[in-house]
Amino acid sequence: AQTIHQWPVAEIKAVGSPLSLGCTIKGKSSPNLYWYWQATGGTLQQLFYSITVGQVESVVQLNLSASRPKDDQFILSTEKLLLSHSGFYLCAWSRGNNQAPLFGEGTRLSVL
Amino acid sequence: GDSVIQMQGQVTLSENDFLFINCTYSTTGYPTLFWYVQYSGEGPQLLLQVTTANNKGSSRGFEATYDKGTTSFHLQKTSVQEIDSAVYYCAMSDPGYQNFYFGKGTSLTVIP
Repeated sequence: AQTIHQWPVAEIKAVGSPLSLGCTIKGKSSPNLYWYWQATGGTLQQLFYSITVGQVESVVQLNLSASRPKDDQFILSTEKLLLSHSGFYLCAWSRGNNQAPLFGEGTRLSVL
Repeated sequence: GDSVIQMQGQVTLSENDFLFINCTYSTTGYPTLFWYVQYSGEGPQLLLQVTTANNKGSSRGFEATYDKGTTSFHLQKTSVQEIDSAVYYCAMSDPGYQNFYFGKGTSLTVIP
């Protein structure tokens, strides 16, 4: 069975500090990977997607970047956090075409 | 551009009431449509996927119907229970399954 793990579970960071969030998928080779952001009480906004190692497409940047250094790993980062970065970050994976994204448990980020 | 509109922001029902949530979409062609459920503090879970091939889907007592003529799709359940209290999102994929568009979500509260 496939599993998806996000880390950390929660972060409290200062404005202007760097950020790195991670996501690992086990049990599936070459998954499609996605990053989403959700404001408190808001909808899900897709940020990035990746269909293969080393290739990441941006949907909405929000001063964030993403990388896929390994087949099973997806990283979301920024060098300088803004207050507007606060929210719930969700990683998701899918088997590929015709398959819906399946979400991890998320990382809750508070920027103060 | 591609979009999904989910008008019902909050719905309050009593147990055993009938649930109906409607979404409309805007895109070219006939997309695949999805329903997700998100419980408080968790990542969204895929509830149903409906393609043009079958026009209907069902899971956990929920049924989704897709009407190409009116570019709408809805989620219904005959008899809701308190455990169904959650936020329900409709979503749509682009043809390449690389971008997914989510509605604003419907927060369902079921009163026992």
